Amino acid sequence: EDQVTQSPEALRLQEGESSSLNCSYTVSGLRGLFWYRQDPGKGPEFLFTLYSAGEEKEKERLKATLTKKESFLHITAPKPEDSATYLCAVQARTGANSKLTFGKGITLSVRP
Amino acid sequence: DTAVSQTPKYLVTQMGNDKSIKCEQNLGHDTMYWYKQDSKKFLKIMFSYNNKELIINETVPNRFSPKSPDKAHLNLHINSLELGDSAVYFCASSQDPPAGAEQYFGPGTRLTVT
Repeated sequence: EDQVTQSPEALRLQEGESSSLNCSYTVSGLRGLFWYRQDPGKGPEFLFTLYSAGEEKEKERLKATLTKKESFLHITAPKPEDSATYLCAVQARTGANSKLTFGKGITLSVRP
Repeated sequence: DTAVSQTPKYLVTQMGNDKSIKCEQNLGHDTMYWYKQDSKKFLKIMFSYNNKELIINETVPNRFSPKSPDKAHLNLHINSLELGDSAVYFCASSQDPPAGAEQYFGPGTRLTVT
């Protein structure tokens, strides 16, 4: 069964204090690893898809990286508006099943 | 202009009632999903439809019945509501894999069963 574990559960940073969020996964053939951002009371917002080990993607202060066992979401010089829950999900390549298996998320708080 | 929309946003009802949640997407996607997010924020797949055909049914009680009248709409009907059904329900859509596979989510429907 596909599994996703995210750590830490919660992270509090000072504005400008860079850090990384971890997503460890086991999947029967990875089709894609996805990062989402979720603000309170809203639906998850798509950030990145990574397809193979060594791949990296960037968007503003965020950079996502992927290895065969885990992914990191690096946040450089975060701002208070980066405060949200960050969700990691995997999609398996096997069959026509396109479901995403999510981790429990990491709640990030950035203090001004 | 909204990509994936759901109605209602909030639903408060009593145990034993039947209720429906509606979802519409204007992205031209072929696949739609229902997810449940529990009180611990864990997001779990319930159903998926591709071109009106059910392709995922993740051991959800048969009190839950999805219906897809066309590929832009996916509704969720829940019979005999129980306290444990209280959660936030999200609709999502995507193109067929391997075209892109990222899923786009609606704003959610918060269901409270009293």
